[in-house]
Amino acid sequence: EPEVTQTPSHQVTQMGQEVILRCVPISNHLYFYWYRQILGQKVEFLVSFYNNEISEKSEIFDDQFSVERPDGSNFTLKIRSTKLEDSAMYFCATKTSGNIETQYFGPGTRLLVL
Amino acid sequence: DQQVKQNSPSLSVQEGRISILNCDYTNSMFDYFLWYKKYPAEGPTFLISISSIKDKNEDGRFTVFLNKSAKHLSLHIVPSQPGDSAVYFCAASVSGTASKLTFGTGTRLQVTL
Repeated sequence: EPEVTQTPSHQVTQMGQEVILRCVPISNHLYFYWYRQILGQKVEFLVSFYNNEISEKSEIFDDQFSVERPDGSNFTLKIRSTKLEDSAMYFCATKTSGNIETQYFGPGTRLLVL
Repeated sequence: DQQVKQNSPSLSVQEGRISILNCDYTNSMFDYFLWYKKYPAEGPTFLISISSIKDKNEDGRFTVFLNKSAKHLSLHIVPSQPGDSAVYFCAASVSGTASKLTFGTGTRLQVTL
């Protein structure tokens, strides 16, 4: 069964450094999302992406964050200058089309900012 | 603003019995609801969903009930198995093209022998 994959599984970085989290969506899926879960809290929406542009972003997704699909397969989340409070699990999710609501999640990247 | 709430942080059920997990929502625009199961250090795994045009959806041991007037949904697992032990998240969306999911805080289910 096709799966969403994410790399790396863990990332430790120093505050102020840039990180890039990568996701490979399920091949026929057209809609892409990033969510995050701070330890002990609920899963929160960050951004949705369709047709090579952002569809919606949350207030968490400020100017330090960006997304792109550089090569038509990978979907990346970049955090330009990490802060301590960016430490969380980051999940990529994808869905096939606009009238299907079910999103399928990757295994996540655990980001720790020191 | 907690638009999706799961008021029980944990639930313990004996193997073979029914597990009932509850979820309430406040946003009347939500018209699609999903349940995800999550193990530690893994991503949420889709379990079952329901559209607001239905009040029940069943898939094997899992049944989701939706009460729109009460803005309440529940997930029933019958019979519960030890492998069902995980955190269960309720999520809701306003159906559309790139609609985001709004998650509840989760209920940790433990199925005991």
